[in-house]
Amino acid sequence: QSALTQPRSVSGSPGQSVTISCTGTSSDVGGYNYVSWYQQHPGKAPKVMIYDVSKRPSGVPDRFSGSKSGNTASLTISGLQAEDEAEYYCCSYAGSYTHVIFGGGTKLTVL
Amino acid sequence: QVQLVESGGGLVKPGGSLRLSCAASGFTFSDYYMSWIRQAPGKGLEWVSSIDSGSTIYYADSVKGRFTISRDNAKNSLYLQMNSLRAEDTAVYYCARGEWWFDPWGQGTLVTVPS
Repeated sequence: QSALTQPRSVSGSPGQSVTISCTGTSSDVGGYNYVSWYQQHPGKAPKVMIYDVSKRPSGVPDRFSGSKSGNTASLTISGLQAEDEAEYYCCSYAGSYTHVIFGGGTKLTVL
Repeated sequence: QVQLVESGGGLVKPGGSLRLSCAASGFTFSDYYMSWIRQAPGKGLEWVSSIDSGSTIYYADSVKGRFTISRDNAKNSLYLQMNSLRAEDTAVYYCARGEWWFDPWGQGTLVTVPS
């Protein structure tokens, strides 16, 4: 099964909002409310920012929010800050055979 | 605090074997699914395998038949036995808590299989 589709890069200025999309199929994103998003800074391990489409783990700022419509999930970051510059990956449960699939990653640049 | 520490990575010849370990602390290990996720140099994340607290196991097609995930709940440890290694298995291997969402992640251990 192919990776979920994310834009290669997005950018925004401090204080602005950006949205990163993650497109899959009815067998993964569209079929389950089990989409998660990860932030990865260079040389570091990924960190979960959103799970189960829109839930935020404790400690993650409420500037980060998630949603889903059909086969596309989205991560929105509002009030952009310099430290938000990182690679972002989406991830979805994909059934008992494929199990889990990641997106290809999106590089967020804070201008 | 919740912590995962991987070990066992290194340089291995094509066709060789390697066993990765992940030591868990700060939570009741036996209560959780655990997973391995890898990242090839400069590439994205790829789910490898997951195991529940008992014997339910899942593998990505790319490693099925070559890799074996296991755990020792008494030692709070997760393992990944990797056989018949290929150049395309070169990656940082992360241990992570969870089945379809992952938190936290370990720092990763690098496995290099030269072509």
